[in-house]
Amino acid sequence: AQKVTQTQTSISVMEKTTVTMDCVYETQDSSYFLFWYKQTASGEIVFLIRQDSYKKENATVGHYSLNFQKPKSSIGLIITATQIEDSAVYFCAMRANNTGNYKYVFGAGTRLKVIA
Amino acid sequence: GGIITQTPKFLIGQEGQKLTLKCQQNFNHDTMYWYRQDSGKGLRLIYYSITENDLQKGDLSEGYDASREKKSSFSLTVTSAQKNEMAVFLCASSMDWGYEQYFGPGTRLTVL
Repeated sequence: AQKVTQTQTSISVMEKTTVTMDCVYETQDSSYFLFWYKQTASGEIVFLIRQDSYKKENATVGHYSLNFQKPKSSIGLIITATQIEDSAVYFCAMRANNTGNYKYVFGAGTRLKVIA
Repeated sequence: GGIITQTPKFLIGQEGQKLTLKCQQNFNHDTMYWYRQDSGKGLRLIYYSITENDLQKGDLSEGYDASREKKSSFSLTVTSAQKNEMAVFLCASSMDWGYEQYFGPGTRLTVL
């Protein structure tokens, strides 16, 4: 069975600094996809960034990047130059890359507070 | 781009009542999902559908029914509303094969 664990419940950082949010996953599949989503205070959930398990390069989108450590089953989200509007709950998720598997498994989320 | 709409935004019902939540997407995505999010918690999968008229149970399907009569729409029915299932219900859709999901704004359910 697949499982995604986010151990950090809440993090506070100063504006313009860099923050890393941890995510560890469990899967029996050799190929899979990893995602990070952001849920704002209004409840809106937005896709941020994705990592394909077969790619060695860490994905980067804007001021979001990933630290993919496959041997450790770890996919950390790094936000550089944080802004107040980055304050939100961040969810890590995974999906197996095999026939007939359409399920996404989500972690419990990490609440980020960016302080001015 | 596209959009997912959910109706109603707020749903108030009586305990034991049958309630229906609706979701529409114009992404032309094949797969659609219903999740439940309890306050301060993560997302739990209720039902999903990989194509029109297909239904697949998630981890939390007991007490719920779903319907996918058109590719663009996916409905969720709470068969007998209970006070312990007050939550936000989120609809999502995705293309095949590992693509990211897009989420609707949610329906907040209150049971009196």
